[in-house]
Amino acid sequence: GAGVSQTPSNKVTEKGKYVELRCDPISGHTALYWYRQSLGQGPEFLIYFQGTGAADDSGLPNDRFFAVRPEGSVSTLKIQRTERGDSAVYLCASSFSTDTQYFGPGTRLTVL
Amino acid sequence: KQEVTQIPAALSVPEGENLVLNCSFTDSAIYNLQWFRQDPGKGLTSLLLIQSSQREQTSGRLNASLDKSSGRSTLYIAASQPGDSATYLCAVTSGGSYIPTFGRGTSLIVHP
Repeated sequence: GAGVSQTPSNKVTEKGKYVELRCDPISGHTALYWYRQSLGQGPEFLIYFQGTGAADDSGLPNDRFFAVRPEGSVSTLKIQRTERGDSAVYLCASSFSTDTQYFGPGTRLTVL
Repeated sequence: KQEVTQIPAALSVPEGENLVLNCSFTDSAIYNLQWFRQDPGKGLTSLLLIQSSQREQTSGRLNASLDKSSGRSTLYIAASQPGDSATYLCAVTSGGSYIPTFGRGTSLIVHP
């Protein structure tokens, strides 16, 4: 079946702009995670949804970052007033429970 | 706070060798440990998941062991092939949390 998909695959924006990154999880997966990965590093946790609610958003670096999952399926990560330091690959993963996570291909965000 | 370390950071071997990749973690009260593979520019692919009550898991040429008391896991790759070239990441989910902590990964190159 279809895996986790993320759009866009690449996003280039200018400093100060607003961006939205989308994640389509595997159908039926109740848990959804967002991570950020910088070059040479492992994924860094941002936020975790169980259903429609954010069960843990302790990884969001500041209030410029926000994520929603209004219907318990698709999720959108929103970044306001982007900064050059926000440049990274943003990964989304979903799982049926708290076990095996299935990752999408990621969105590479470049802030000029 | 859980910390995950992977050694070595990089490894280059000739085809056919048996390999051991190491992962260590600081808090032994874990829920599970997962090994992932990441190809350049791609998302993560789950290889093996070991629950805290288990000591090892096997899939094909891969075998992962878990020793909670010493805070260690190893990923054993038998008869390595050039197609095994990738970055291997270890992720530990601590008890009471659904959030995995990732290591920085081991970059593996298997040359013909």
